[in-house]
Amino acid sequence: RKEVEQDPGPFNVPEGATVAFNCTYSNSASQSFFWYRQDCRKEPKLLMSVYSSGNEDGRFTAQLNRASQYISLLIRDSKLSDSATYLCAEGEAAGNKLTFGGGTRVLVKP
Amino acid sequence: DAGITQSPRHKVTETGTPVTLRCHQTENHRYMYWYRQDPGHGLRLIHYSYGVKDTDKGEVSDGYSVSRSKTEDFLLTLESATSSQTSVYFCAISVQGNQPQHFGDGTRLSIL
Repeated sequence: RKEVEQDPGPFNVPEGATVAFNCTYSNSASQSFFWYRQDCRKEPKLLMSVYSSGNEDGRFTAQLNRASQYISLLIRDSKLSDSATYLCAEGEAAGNKLTFGGGTRVLVKP
Repeated sequence: DAGITQSPRHKVTETGTPVTLRCHQTENHRYMYWYRQDPGHGLRLIHYSYGVKDTDKGEVSDGYSVSRSKTEDFLLTLESATSSQTSVYFCAISVQGNQPQHFGDGTRLSIL
């Protein structure tokens, strides 16, 4: 069983709509969480860090639910340029590495 | 963008040949990582380093070796390349192991 799981999608989203998707983790010692965006044939780029209950950056909101062991990413007012694969990652407090999920693909359509 | 340079960016080689990929950083970060990414598998950690001469295996380390003789360089070697090692390879760096990683542009490696 993978330690970090994501729905691979694709999530087909009308332009201007809101989309949300989750990332579940199995390691109860996880302390830090991250959302990355990856465009086709490009490197992952850090979108947001989540250390406590959540974080917000413009149209993007991340929430952490420790009781149910998942983090979510919500994108409001979706733009065509938001089409990408979104990867989540988690790390332990004293860990040496992050564990990545397989990614959720989002397609925003006009 | 974080100062990470991967070289080469593209390489085509033959089965059985040795291949070395280089990751160079200018950020003085302690941690460096090598991943491969294949369709259907996401990012898979090959090896990582937590300091000069300090390395450890990831989940898919067989057939790969690494070296880190100085802070800024982390080398990944395929000792005898096989077609199953055709992939996109990403290097990443981090200040601490549980902090965000920043990725290089990737190396597209094809083993024929």
